[in-house]
Amino acid sequence: DAGITQSPRHKVTETGTPVTLRCHQTENHRYMYWYRQDPGHGLRLIHYSYGVKDTDKGEVSDGYSVSRSKTEDFLLTLESATSSQTSVYFCAIGQQSSYNEQFFGPGTRLTVL
Amino acid sequence: SQQGEEDPQALSIQEGENATMNCSYKTSINNLQWYRQNSGRGLVHLILIRSNEREKHSGRLRVTLDTSKKSSSLLITASRAADTASYFCATDGASGSRLTFGEGTQLTVNP
Repeated sequence: DAGITQSPRHKVTETGTPVTLRCHQTENHRYMYWYRQDPGHGLRLIHYSYGVKDTDKGEVSDGYSVSRSKTEDFLLTLESATSSQTSVYFCAIGQQSSYNEQFFGPGTRLTVL
Repeated sequence: SQQGEEDPQALSIQEGENATMNCSYKTSINNLQWYRQNSGRGLVHLILIRSNEREKHSGRLRVTLDTSKKSSSLLITASRAADTASYFCATDGASGSRLTFGEGTQLTVNP
């Protein structure tokens, strides 16, 4: 998986609790992305980062925040988890190039009860 | 809404047959990419075709792009059981570093 790890890989939590997912890369890529994947919706971009402390919203950012204090780490936080945030979350990285190929992590399966 | 839409949603073929998947998109693009996702895994990049290219090959993969129709097709020749996966198209459009993914085609190759 191209030097990308995600933790945890599985998590079950309760509605209203905060949750933080971590993405770690060893490729020194500038861009990092968080997606969620749901049946019938494909992959949807939540937030992305184009450098340390530089982040922007994606298509479905409500209820999520991100932080990137180091090149290698990109954190996704659900401040107060809801059942609608039950999903599989993927982190991806990309180089600064016109080709914009992305490399994906193995995913985190999150269940909010 | 999704920029790319794959067709068909599901495809089942026999080993050795060719598999064709289509992708349509709505806005102008810089390039279009295809990804594969095996069950329970992350997406893997297969091939990228630029907006000024019409056809591209990589091993058993052939991708075409018709910007006038805003559509692309992915052909997998001589399919194998290991090709069983979901296939997604992704476009960058005017957003530059951001990709928009379709909902995918689930390909099943029966031995």
